[in-house]
Amino acid sequence: DGGITQSPKYLFRKEGQNVTLSCEQNLNHDAMYWYRQDPGQGLRLIYYSQIVNDFQKGDIAEGYSVSREKKESFPLTVTSAQKNPTAFYLCASRHLSGGGLGELFFGEGSRLTVL
Amino acid sequence: QKEVEQDPGPLSVPEGAIVSLNCTYSNSAFQYFMWYRQYSRKGPELLMYTYSSGNKEDGRFTAQVDKSSKYISLFIRDSQPSDSATYLCAMSGQSTGGFKTIFGAGTRLFVKA
Repeated sequence: DGGITQSPKYLFRKEGQNVTLSCEQNLNHDAMYWYRQDPGQGLRLIYYSQIVNDFQKGDIAEGYSVSREKKESFPLTVTSAQKNPTAFYLCASRHLSGGGLGELFFGEGSRLTVL
Repeated sequence: QKEVEQDPGPLSVPEGAIVSLNCTYSNSAFQYFMWYRQYSRKGPELLMYTYSSGNKEDGRFTAQVDKSSKYISLFIRDSQPSDSATYLCAMSGQSTGGFKTIFGAGTRLFVKA
């Protein structure tokens, strides 16, 4: 089945540690996105990539880093510089040629808790 | 001012009730208006979308867009406990920075049996 796989589903981290969240898609989508979801704030865009080896900052990129070495993969690193990293992280992808709708397909999310 | 405003709820209704969920937005450049449904501990999935103004019906669900008022709605008829989820409104379209999608905060809905 085609879809987006995020791992791990749950992750605990001590303050000062970097952590990397995995996102893999087999939908052959060009664009991939990372969102952060906090209660009452909806989805906020962290980073996005429309092509391999290129990515752009979203609205809340500080303290995060990404790479896009393969079309299928878009890992997110939450660095120790991120002041409030505890959140639910969602990876998404879409076709770039899909017209104006731009339907986003989401993974099941990764919940990060900083102890 | 946020680009999109959505009451996060929670909204609790009895089974069989008609549910009304709403969002307001400020950017008139948006052309597609969407509702995503998100079950607990899952990623959102597209439920319905509407292009420009008007209504769209799909079974028990009706989406309405009023671009003149910058107001979108989702109605759920004969609500069921399985409808309990968070509903996020979203808008997309071309802007000065390229293609953009923004999301509302999401409204948590509980349908009681």
